[in-house]
Amino acid sequence: AQSVSQHNHHVILSEAASLELGCNYSYGGTVNLFWYVQYPGQHLQLLLKYFSGDPLVKGIKGFEAEFIKSKFSFNLRKPSVQWSDTAEYFCAVIPKDNFNKFYFGSGTKLNVKP
Amino acid sequence: DAGVTQSPTHLIKTRGQQVTLRCSPKSGHDTVSWYQQALGQGPQFIFQYYEEEERQRGNFPDRFSGHQFPNYSSELNVNALLLGDSALYLCASSPLSRDRGFHYGYTFGSGTRLTVV
Repeated sequence: AQSVSQHNHHVILSEAASLELGCNYSYGGTVNLFWYVQYPGQHLQLLLKYFSGDPLVKGIKGFEAEFIKSKFSFNLRKPSVQWSDTAEYFCAVIPKDNFNKFYFGSGTKLNVKP
Repeated sequence: DAGVTQSPTHLIKTRGQQVTLRCSPKSGHDTVSWYQQALGQGPQFIFQYYEEEERQRGNFPDRFSGHQFPNYSSELNVNALLLGDSALYLCASSPLSRDRGFHYGYTFGSGTRLTVV
């Protein structure tokens, strides 16, 4: 069965620190990969997505992610976090042979201290 | 504004009761998916509706049912509520790419927080 693992459940950083959130998936076939962010009380918002091509993808708000196929990983990075990045981050996968549903990780709560 | 509207935003129900949650998709979207997000977990796929039919279903019991209307809006019904049904229920809409059958451009609503007591 497909699954998505996010290694860190809760991360606390100071402003200007660098961020890397891990995401691994288990699926033998080709996948589309996503990172979503959920600010408190708000809807899930797409940060970035990878379908094909350059494995380093850039998203909104200075986030980027790198797809490493051999490691089944899609880690999210940001060089310098801000207090406004405090939110919960979800990695998600859509298998290309089943376009109909996302498989989400359990999420990582990021707290950025001012 | 998410573009996807869900109602109500919060709901408290008693164990054994039935509940109906509603979703209006983003303009131009014809496909609606429902997800359950329990506390501390990521969203779990319940089912998806397209052309007023359930197209795919996740690992949820028959107590969970749905409907899609001709205007693409959708309802999620849960019968015989259990305490474990307490969760945030998310609706996501998307336009179906009829060329490739690939759903892209998913937009999520803010969800309905259901508490079963």
